[in-house]
Amino acid sequence: QSALTQPASVSGSPGQSITISCTGTSSDVGGYNYVSWYQQHPGKAPKLMIYEVSNRPSGVSNRFSGSKSGNTASLTISGLQAEDEADYYCSSYTSSSPYVVFGGGTKLTVL
Amino acid sequence: QVQLQESGPGLVKPSQTLSLTCTVSGGSISSGSYYWSWIRQPAGKGLEWIGRIYTSGSTNYNPSLKSRVTISVDTSKNQFSLKLSSVTAADTAVYYCARLEDFQYYFDYWGQGTLVTVSS
Repeated sequence: QSALTQPASVSGSPGQSITISCTGTSSDVGGYNYVSWYQQHPGKAPKLMIYEVSNRPSGVSNRFSGSKSGNTASLTISGLQAEDEADYYCSSYTSSSPYVVFGGGTKLTVL
Repeated sequence: QVQLQESGPGLVKPSQTLSLTCTVSGGSISSGSYYWSWIRQPAGKGLEWIGRIYTSGSTNYNPSLKSRVTISVDTSKNQFSLKLSSVTAADTAVYYCARLEDFQYYFDYWGQGTLVTVSS
């Protein structure tokens, strides 16, 4: 069982917006602004999409945005495109070992 | 552009030790404030953080694996390594090496991953 809880799957049509949630506790998501999001296409390594809750690395589309409320962080993808179909993982710093925890992952299907 | 590349045997026998090396290119492993980490992913499952090492040699391990894991660094070769002892079929996974930003705790660079199968 993963430390952070994500929905197993979400779906949306091209052009629509979707949101993926990531729920933790006050010891991780709720206690620190060190939430990051990763996109993983089949057979590929994860790619950093969001760090520190809402910051985008250079080169990541501004269609991807992050936010946090209490113990739940969220990744929103607007203007869905076929290439967004992938697995998405959240991660957070946690105050005790192992210091880094992941969510179980969410499969995004673009209909 | 920093690049990471895993290398090591793709097949390990049960009860033996899994050994992997991650070679870092495009920058010195000693520069900046980064932890160098190992993460694994069983087929069809999520990511599991194994552990990390700072270039000073300081390490932290996932408590679920701590008794079997050793991570080391060789700054002269710009490499860091993973050893996982007493492996079983449950250790079969794709193993990734990645760079963990020290203060903001995000993985910004990843290796392509290497599949390690535990089987006799």
